[in-house]
Amino acid sequence: KAGVTQTPRYLIKTRGQQVTLSCSPISGHRSVSWYQQTPGQGLQFLFEYFSETQRNKGNFPGRFSGRQFSNSRSEMNVSTLELGDSALYLCASSWERTQYFGPGTRLLVL
Amino acid sequence: QKEVEQNSGPLSVPEGAIASLNCTYSDRGSQSFFWYRQYSGKSPELIMSIYSNGDKEDGRFTAQLNKASQYVSLLIRDSQPSDSATYLCAAGGRSDYKLSFGAGTTVTVRA
Repeated sequence: KAGVTQTPRYLIKTRGQQVTLSCSPISGHRSVSWYQQTPGQGLQFLFEYFSETQRNKGNFPGRFSGRQFSNSRSEMNVSTLELGDSALYLCASSWERTQYFGPGTRLLVL
Repeated sequence: QKEVEQNSGPLSVPEGAIASLNCTYSDRGSQSFFWYRQYSGKSPELIMSIYSNGDKEDGRFTAQLNKASQYVSLLIRDSQPSDSATYLCAAGGRSDYKLSFGAGTTVTVRA
């Protein structure tokens, strides 16, 4: 089976802009989770979607949002970008309780 | 207090030795535990999952779980230079898919 795919792999944005990241889970996986990884905070949970519904949400401001489509593909959006949003954004596709990570999208905010 | 804490690194071991990684968690409701390996510049890769008290072995890797002590460990036997990476411990709930990660322990295997 193909693994989790994320697009784009790299992004450079400026403060105040918004960004949309995309994730395609492993075929047959219906749950998609998003994480932010930074050197200072490590890996932090953003949110999880299952069957187009957000089931869990981490402690991030409302500027961070997401959605899931009927084919299980998911997108996350960050509005009004701040310098501190520079990070590796990871999508994970789940089978039962096990999560498999995609390659990530590295976002740099200037 | 962080939900998941890992022993501070970095950990340097000679090739062929055993690397021992430790992790404690604070949420007694945690039911699922995972070890991920992350090479520099790459995404985390699942090594082991463990849900019940005791040991679970997979090749050169052994995970141990002690829910009473809220402790999870990972042993890497016959360490190879290719094992040099950051190892992340994660804990999850019974049914939710939110994982809490430790800060990671960086392991260097000296040839």
